[in-house]
Parts: sequence; structure tokens; C-alpha cells
Amino acid sequence: DVKVTQSSRYLVKRTGEKVFLECVQDMDHENMFWYRQDPGLGLRLIYFSYDVKMKEKGDIPEGYSVSREKKERFSLILESASTNQTSMYLCASSPIPGTRRAQFFGPGTRLTVL
Amino acid sequence: QKEVEQNSGPLSVPEGAIASLNCTYSDRGSQSFFWYRQYSGKSPELIMSIYSNGDKEDGRFTAQLNKASQYVSLLIRDSQPSDSATYLCAVASIIQGAQKLVFGQGTRLTINP
Repeated sequence: DVKVTQSSRYLVKRTGEKVFLECVQDMDHENMFWYRQDPGLGLRLIYFSYDVKMKEKGDIPEGYSVSREKKERFSLILESASTNQTSMYLCASSPIPGTRRAQFFGPGTRLTVL
Repeated sequence: QKEVEQNSGPLSVPEGAIASLNCTYSDRGSQSFFWYRQYSGKSPELIMSIYSNGDKEDGRFTAQLNKASQYVSLLIRDSQPSDSATYLCAVASIIQGAQKLVFGQGTRLTINP
């Protein structure tokens, strides 16, 4: 089974702090994704990566950056956390590009910014 | 803008009945379609994938795809209270040269004992 893990289930941070969210997958997947999920807005793609050192902006990249130094690890960074970044953050991974490739999600990190 | 539309619900179904969840999509070029189940406070879990027109069955779940009508559905037979969750429809599309999944907003399903 695909295993995607995220560093924290719940996180509370203060406005202006730098926040790191870590995601690790153990299935040697090339593709990794970061989403946020908010009530009424659904899943929104923040950033994704097709390979080590590669990153692509998603639909809402503002206020976020990412790092992928190793194939199995994809980090989301909030440079200066703000209250409007309070959300559920979901990491996902999928095998090499191909239209039949589903994404598999980690358990999520519920981030609260005070 | 590639879109995926779902009825947000809530959809209420008695235990033992068939639950029918529907999804329409705008990208005629889409080739892959997925259904995810998400329990409250948890992350989405893949339950079905379908790529060809017609029906695909897996246990109590049946996915149906009609590419001409741009319509995909999920049927849950013999509904159980444990099926109460939000169901997300996802469609694979090529956006700005990259393959992405476009998710619907989800349909909240409640199975009443």
C-alpha cells in the first residue's frame, strides 16, 4: 500500500512565524502535490513537483514556497504565516505522469495561525 | 477553466438503499476519473477509478462513465451507516501542459439507520 505521511496532524503557529510542513512518501513516486482544503472552497492546489529539485506553481501559490531535495520528501513552507492560511493542508503523491494515475493522500495537517 | 461539478448535498439515503452520486465535467479531453471518500476530519481516500465508457464494479461500489455526456457517477448498493462521508469526484486534465487532478466540491452523503 502507498504510504504518505505528514509531520504533524495539528499545528498552532503565530502570525509572522515561518512554518514548515513535511511530507514523505515511501512508494518511490515521482509526483508530489500540496493542497489546502477549506469549507466551501474544496481542494485547491498550492504547488506540485514532478521530480527532485523541480517545482511548479498550482492555483494558489502566493504566500507559500516548496522544497524537494529528495524524491521521497516534499516540504511546504509558509514564509510568514498569516491568519488566512489557517486551513487543512494535504500532501499527495502519484506515480510517473500518465493520465491513469490517481493521487494518494497523506493524513493532513490542520494548521491554525493565531 | 476546467471544472468539475457535484451536487453538494446533503444527500440522505436509508440504510440498505442505493446511493447515487453524480458528477459532470467540462474538459472533453479528460481520460481518467476518480472517486474519493473523505470522512469528516480525515483525508481523501481513493475508492474507484474509471477510464472507459460504461460501468465498473468493485464490491458494493459501481462507477459509471459517459464521456459523450461528460458525466460520471458512483452507485453505492446496500448503503451502510459507515458509508456516511463526503464523496469527491476528480478528473485528470492537462492544464498549462501539466497533468493535474481537478476536484469537485464533494457531495455529503448521510446513511440513516
